[in-house]
Amino acid sequence: DSGVTQTPKHLITATGQRVTLRCSPRSGDLSVYWYQQSLDQGLQFLIHYYNGEERAKGNILERFSAQQFPDLHSELNLSSLELGDSALYFCASSSWDNTDTQYFGPGTRLTVL
Amino acid sequence: ILNVEQSPQSLHVQEGDSTNFTCSFPSSNFYALHWYRWETAKSPEALFVMTLNGDEKKKGRISATLNTKEGYSYLYIKGSQPEDSATYLCAFSADTGFQKLVFGTGTRLLVSP
Repeated sequence: DSGVTQTPKHLITATGQRVTLRCSPRSGDLSVYWYQQSLDQGLQFLIHYYNGEERAKGNILERFSAQQFPDLHSELNLSSLELGDSALYFCASSSWDNTDTQYFGPGTRLTVL
Repeated sequence: ILNVEQSPQSLHVQEGDSTNFTCSFPSSNFYALHWYRWETAKSPEALFVMTLNGDEKKKGRISATLNTKEGYSYLYIKGSQPEDSATYLCAFSADTGFQKLVFGTGTRLLVSP
């Protein structure tokens, strides 16, 4: 158990809908990272938040947004969902930046029908 | 575009064999190199974070070396066991500050008893 929690574990929804994925970092970690793993693709970095502020953006679609709250938990919002958004979404946390170990949560598997 | 390459793509060894994998990354603007172990149906588990040229890290039978000048890192597993079967990912971060982590596609290791 990495100490990072993600909810829900599984999510099945329809095209055009909007969903929110939630992540709670390890106690004391200020950085939260979101990753997407689609079929036949490696892990793709989406976005990084540090202590409530966005720090780096990767291949995140405009239909996707994220935020980190004062209690340091983070939410990833996916809207106008398409079939291609079906993927495993991981959240990871670290104490500071990319020189620190990132601890991954168990992931949320999103299926868009 | 940051490109991280891992080789081989997959590897099948017998229990007791020693093995190694390669991760190649851009040699300029190096910041950090991560190694992860990813078992099927689980989340990635951090093995090492390496930041200095010549770094060598060890965890049990697994060790890693780093050459930032030529842009490569090796991961070694001594005396492979069936429980070592997993995908081994490396991830590279460039520059300083809060830059994104770029993952390779991994080396899939299968250790047969």
